Amino acid sequence: GAVVSQHPSWVICKSGTSVKIECRSLDFQATTMFWYRQFPKQSLMLMATSNEGSKATYEQGVEKDKFLINHASLTLSTLTVTSAHPEDSSFYICSARDISDYEQYFGPGTRLTVT
Amino acid sequence: GQNIDQPTEMTATEGAIVQINCTYQTSGFNGLFWYQQHAGEAPTFLSYNVLDGLEEKGRFSSFLSRSKGYSYLLLKELQMKDSASYLCAVTSGTYKYIFGTGTRLKVLA
Repeated sequence: GAVVSQHPSWVICKSGTSVKIECRSLDFQATTMFWYRQFPKQSLMLMATSNEGSKATYEQGVEKDKFLINHASLTLSTLTVTSAHPEDSSFYICSARDISDYEQYFGPGTRLTVT
Repeated sequence: GQNIDQPTEMTATEGAIVQINCTYQTSGFNGLFWYQQHAGEAPTFLSYNVLDGLEEKGRFSSFLSRSKGYSYLLLKELQMKDSASYLCAVTSGTYKYIFGTGTRLKVLA
């Protein structure tokens, strides 16, 4: 149980374009989803927290107009990187938790490369 | 502020025992998680400590001292596949994880 999927697993896009990453909880209802970014040899950095049906809460320093997060259902959250630039190239990981659990279940991650 | 520290890198020999420390200073505490992460993959759950003491799970054990803001992950009978990054994460009242800096463990034959 507690499986989280992400799609796509990797994506290459051109500078200035937008890319959408999906995060799905497959066998539980995710009341809260989290989006992280990870640069090589660094730890996970929380970007934002999203609760179903509410606006996402962004961490300090994360541009909410650049990283659009939507959590429209209890099983799906999306992260859209708008007007991507090479410095946005990173490993993006989502996680999800249900209402009864402190533990977060992680998706497999999405490798974004902006050329 | 929130601060979670881990050693950046550690090296150990196959078959040995290694202890990875994590010290934290956070506003609030609900529990501490340890995760293993291989390069390019998502973190995988290892352990969760809420109360003081040692939790043992096979070759992996995790210890917590809330009064000292300290935890460690103990890996026994090291195997080559244990070469990975190990992340500790503290949860407070908001359910967010505050991740430590991560420790890259290299296991040598």
